[in-house]
Amino acid sequence: GENVEQHPSTLSVQEGDSAVIKCTYSDSASNYFPWYKQELGKGPQLIIDIRSNVGEKKDQRIAVTLNKTAKHFSLHITETQPEDSAVYFCAASRVSAGNKLTFGGGTRVLVKP
Amino acid sequence: EADIYQTPRYLVIGTGKKITLECSQTMGHDKMYWYQQDPGMELHLIHYSYGVNSTEKGDLSSESTVSRIRTEHFPLTLESARPSHTSQYLCASSVTGVNTGELFFGEGSRLTVL
Repeated sequence: GENVEQHPSTLSVQEGDSAVIKCTYSDSASNYFPWYKQELGKGPQLIIDIRSNVGEKKDQRIAVTLNKTAKHFSLHITETQPEDSAVYFCAASRVSAGNKLTFGGGTRVLVKP
Repeated sequence: EADIYQTPRYLVIGTGKKITLECSQTMGHDKMYWYQQDPGMELHLIHYSYGVNSTEKGDLSSESTVSRIRTEHFPLTLESARPSHTSQYLCASSVTGVNTGELFFGEGSRLTVL
């Protein structure tokens, strides 16, 4: 089955700096890579996703890059703000597997004002 | 805002009790899931359903059971709770489609077994 590794497990950044979280996956057939943000006391919420037919996707201050050859993908948050403090999860799946996501271990991000 | 609801949000019970965690969604999604989230944050799929009367076990073995009698309802039951069942349980749903993939999560049920 799929195995997703996520690094780092914790990340502390100064407000305004950038944050980068990296994930690797094992199943070369995986073709869908979402990122979820989980705030305290809430369930995870999708913030951005990328499919294997593109290498990069951007949405305002967040961007995701995908390297299929190396089987890794990354989340980039620019101009971090205190409200970006949360736990972030990467995930991978085959679309044909019916949204059965395999999640990375999570990264706790703290943005210091 | 996702329309998926979990009750109870918090539950503290004694060993040996039977408990049911409720999950309901009003989005008409065909797929529903239960994830267990341990204190170390990791999310593990324990059950999923692709429609009414369809249930499958996930990647992480669990002593819990689920049922899917109605599209909108996916309850999880523990017949005899033990301290090892202490965890956060997250319910999610999604819709079938080639270009879809988003899971909508509830806010979770935090279970403590004494």
